[in-house]
Amino acid sequence: QSVLTQPPSASGTPGQRVTISCSGSSSNIGTDYVYWYQQLPGTAPKLLIYRNNQRPSGVPDRFSGSKSGTSASLAISGLRSEDEADYYCAAWDDSLREVFGGGTKLTVL
Amino acid sequence: QVQLQESGPGLVKPSETLSLTCTVSGGSISSYFWSWIRQPPGKGLEWIGYIYYSGSTNYNPSLKSRLTISVDTSKNQFSLKLSSVTAADTAVYYCARGEYYFEYWGQGTLVTVSS
Repeated sequence: QSVLTQPPSASGTPGQRVTISCSGSSSNIGTDYVYWYQQLPGTAPKLLIYRNNQRPSGVPDRFSGSKSGTSASLAISGLRSEDEADYYCAAWDDSLREVFGGGTKLTVL
Repeated sequence: QVQLQESGPGLVKPSETLSLTCTVSGGSISSYFWSWIRQPPGKGLEWIGYIYYSGSTNYNPSLKSRLTISVDTSKNQFSLKLSSVTAADTAVYYCARGEYYFEYWGQGTLVTVSS
């Protein structure tokens, strides 16, 4: 049981815009930044979004993050086949540990 | 470009100690936080803990009693020791740079706990 809650799956067609939600509490998302990672099959996770909505160098602006209260969202616009991956949200928790969502498997139809 | 590489045994017996080392190349280990994260097969990510280059640490409370993370700045390496392992500790173990978020990751190494 993950501390942060994500839908187990999401899907979209090429070119479409999809969003992935991440729900937490006042102990984590409500008081700290949210981070998003993309994990392609068989590879290590890659940082996609930091501090709620900042993109590291090299991450396309098709990827965007937002946060409101104790929830956050990752939006992917102009969906591409190479976006098919698992996506994880994360945040620092008052219990003094980093917590992750259970992950969302994105399928590009 | 900073690169991280995990190394250590891929098979550990139950009740023994799991030991892994992460070697950092392309940059200095100094002035950064360094973390360990694991992922059981087919499951999600779990943060294990981090160490600052100076040696200060912060561990996941659920693992704290069994966990030691150390750093060797002369070798540009940091290490993980997890004692009294069980099958539940079977996972891909990743090392990464960062305290609250992880911008560089190793490729990961699968550690299986089995007799």
